[in-house]
Amino acid sequence: SAVISQKPSRDICQRGTSLTIQCQVDSQVTMMFWYRQQPGQSLTLIATANQGSEATYESGFVIDKFPISRPNLTFSTLTVSNMSPEDSSIYLCSVPDRTSGNTIYFGEGSWLTVV
Amino acid sequence: AQSVTQPDIHITVSEGASLELRCNYSYGATPYLFWYVQSPGQGLQLLLKYFSGDTLVQGIKGFEAEFKRSQSSFNLRKPSVHWSDAAEYFCAVGGATGGYQKVTFGTGTKLQVIP
Repeated sequence: SAVISQKPSRDICQRGTSLTIQCQVDSQVTMMFWYRQQPGQSLTLIATANQGSEATYESGFVIDKFPISRPNLTFSTLTVSNMSPEDSSIYLCSVPDRTSGNTIYFGEGSWLTVV
Repeated sequence: AQSVTQPDIHITVSEGASLELRCNYSYGATPYLFWYVQSPGQGLQLLLKYFSGDTLVQGIKGFEAEFKRSQSSFNLRKPSVHWSDAAEYFCAVGGATGGYQKVTFGTGTKLQVIP
């Protein structure tokens, strides 16, 4: 499986500010995925990020709130814009298995608290 | 649409006792099924997966799961639980038609292990 590193691992953010989360993978991958896990909840897919194209957002998530960059095949960023306490969540980067593509692996997550 | 149901939100077992976590899925074709574990403060780790073949699959940390098509279930089992198994467990379902398909997660089961 790929090694996935996320930064920051934790942060406390002020309401109204924006924060960019970085995801670095140790191998080239076509797709990267961003998930959100709100407190006590399951994982919800925010968007799929393909290198060289616009990210594809799931229902309920919009680019203005969660802009994503994918400058190369090993790196992506997710920005949480104009944060409110409702954005307090774990944000997880994930990538599919290189051989089958049907298994996804996760980074350690970025734990954000908005105050 | 694919979905996953984990009927038990919280389970408590004694150390050394056996464990079974329930998972039921809904998917229109042959599913890919996964179990992930999330330890406190950690990201998600893949425990095991089922794609095809033998319906009893072995995973890491002594876990196993059995795919039962007739019951649309993929229950996770462990014969003897260790205190370090205390964590949250997520069942997930994905497509099986080649390439990457969207993975949907259940709401999770939190496991507490008592001495």
